[in-house]
Amino acid sequence: DQQVKQNSPSLSVQEGRISILNCDYTNSMFDYFLWYKKYPAEGPTFLISISSIKDKNEDGRFTVFLNKSAKHLSLHIVPSQPGDSAVYFCAASFSGNTGKLIFGQGTTLQVKP
Amino acid sequence: NAGVTQTPKFQVLKTGQSMTLQCAQDMNHEYMSWYRQDPGMGLRLIHYSVGAGITDQGEVPNGYNVSRSTTEDFPLRLLSAAPSQTSVYFCASRSSGALPTNYGYTFGSGTRLTVV
Repeated sequence: DQQVKQNSPSLSVQEGRISILNCDYTNSMFDYFLWYKKYPAEGPTFLISISSIKDKNEDGRFTVFLNKSAKHLSLHIVPSQPGDSAVYFCAASFSGNTGKLIFGQGTTLQVKP
Repeated sequence: NAGVTQTPKFQVLKTGQSMTLQCAQDMNHEYMSWYRQDPGMGLRLIHYSVGAGITDQGEVPNGYNVSRSTTEDFPLRLLSAAPSQTSVYFCASRSSGALPTNYGYTFGSGTRLTVV
């Protein structure tokens, strides 16, 4: 039972345009959502997070939107750059200090020059 | 600036063999986790720990054991390797006191395991 789902395995966009990566979740007990970026042969690196009490968090070119009623979040990258080409994972953590983090399947983003 | 160190980076095992994947962090993080990454499956949580002496099962714990005798180390043991355990394994850690804006785990670079 996949609690965090990224239904688009891949996404291709042109440099300078907006990239939108989507994520859906099923468990209403999640209280924080995070996005990680992963290059080949490296571990994932933390990108941006959002608390369940907020609907938007912005950090430079990266913005995460949360729609709790729809159990949906998205990551917007504007403008997209070729160096953004990587696998992006959505993740969610449970309320309380459990340290447990559940990931989605990942979306491979390709930004074409 | 070591962060999270995983050893070995690559390993080939025969079915039925046992081995331990090592994970060490030097950031005094309370929380540590093990994940496996498989194509189309993303990162799946195997076991996690919220402090020395405390461990719990994740999504896919069968076939793996863990222990946490120190804050720094969180080894993952494969008792009897199976081809289904062929995967890339990642260890991760974070502080329990991390602020919401710095809530992320720090990951190691991974161990690529092949069971034949």
